[in-house]
Amino acid sequence: EDKVVQSPLSLVVHEGDTVTLNCSYEVTNFRSLLWYKQEKKAPTFLFMLTSSGIEKKSGRLSSILDKKELFSILNITATQTGDSAVYLCAVAIFGNEKLTFGTGTRLTIIP
Amino acid sequence: SAVISQKPSRDICQRGTSLTIQCQVDSQVTMMFWYRQQPGQSLTLIATANQGSEATYESGFVIDKFPISRPNLTFSTLTVSNMSPEDSSIYLCSGRTTQETQYFGPGTRLLVL
Repeated sequence: EDKVVQSPLSLVVHEGDTVTLNCSYEVTNFRSLLWYKQEKKAPTFLFMLTSSGIEKKSGRLSSILDKKELFSILNITATQTGDSAVYLCAVAIFGNEKLTFGTGTRLTIIP
Repeated sequence: SAVISQKPSRDICQRGTSLTIQCQVDSQVTMMFWYRQQPGQSLTLIATANQGSEATYESGFVIDKFPISRPNLTFSTLTVSNMSPEDSSIYLCSGRTTQETQYFGPGTRLLVL
């Protein structure tokens, strides 16, 4: 059975800190890994990663994939209170249209 | 990014009734999906909405309970039938683009009393 595990489950840091969120996976026929930010209802798309070692960056957020060790990390530098959210990792595989989601990491930024 | 709209944004319903949720996507979307997120949990796929044919349901979800329509490429509905309090969740429409990126609509928060 396909599995996506995120760690930590929750994280509380002070504004300005840097955080690293982890996502490991065990799936067959890996196609891509996606990161989302969920604040209230809808997950907002952050990154899609398909190749190892290529960093994707958007402002203070960045992410990288390691297909050999089967994990990805999401980094947020100089955190702000607006970064408080649940961060979801999901994996897509070939031959099946569904995304398998991890349970998420709840990030809280203290002013 | 793809534009996905969904309505209603929230509703409070009585047990035994049904609610239909509508989802509209833009033309970048090729595939449409319906997800459920129960309180404190991650997202679970209900079904893939297929244009002009029956949806493809995931294990644990059946057409009688969650009938889905997709009459054209950019519109789909999900009905939650004969509701019980256990159906209280956020229901999310999702669309995958030709670039294989998947986006979510704003969600429908459903409370069943």
